[in-house]
Amino acid sequence: SAVISQKPSRDICQRGTSLTIQCQVDSQVTMMFWYRQQPGQSLTLIATANQGSEATYESGFVIDKFPISRPNLTFSTLTVSNLSPEDSSIYLCSVGGAGELFFGEGSRLTVL
Amino acid sequence: TQLLEQSPQFLSIQEGENLTVYCNSSSVFSSLQWYRQEPGEGPVLLVTVVTGGEVKKLKRLTFQFGDARKDSSLHITAAQPGDTGLYLCAGAVYNQGGKLIFGQGTELSVKP
Repeated sequence: SAVISQKPSRDICQRGTSLTIQCQVDSQVTMMFWYRQQPGQSLTLIATANQGSEATYESGFVIDKFPISRPNLTFSTLTVSNLSPEDSSIYLCSVGGAGELFFGEGSRLTVL
Repeated sequence: TQLLEQSPQFLSIQEGENLTVYCNSSSVFSSLQWYRQEPGEGPVLLVTVVTGGEVKKLKRLTFQFGDARKDSSLHITAAQPGDTGLYLCAGAVYNQGGKLIFGQGTELSVKP
């Protein structure tokens, strides 16, 4: 397993601004995954972040809205840009292999 | 598009009762995981099943993977209030580097 720390744990943002979420892992990992969990719903994969290459986005998610950085094997950031109330969700960073994932505690975003 | 249908979506029972949660798909998965999530936290991995027909037990929780690796069930015996939470099944997609497809989740409430 891995210990995953996310910052911030929660934030309240104004419409039109951006929020950057940080994810720190206690060991080197090849792939990091960013998920969104909308209120009362399950998890949806936003993108897969590999170190040294551009992130791979899932259908319905674009780089302009969700830019991701992966500067090294233990760290990644997800930015949610041009915020709207529909972006209010929990954003989760995860790592793993062979289909098993370990999650950070999540970052709860509320957009006013 | 691969989908995992999870049911029931909500379940409210009395302490001591038994319950079963189901996950079904038309797709075959290389493995299937069950997670439990409490409010304000990320999902925590409970178990991974890999082999068709596999049964795993974790105290009062019994997990089964269907013979065809398209479905799974979670059975809880003598539920306790501490079992309350969101239960998520997730299937690992073949040859996609750990990508998981999540079910919709089952919100379980066990009343004392």
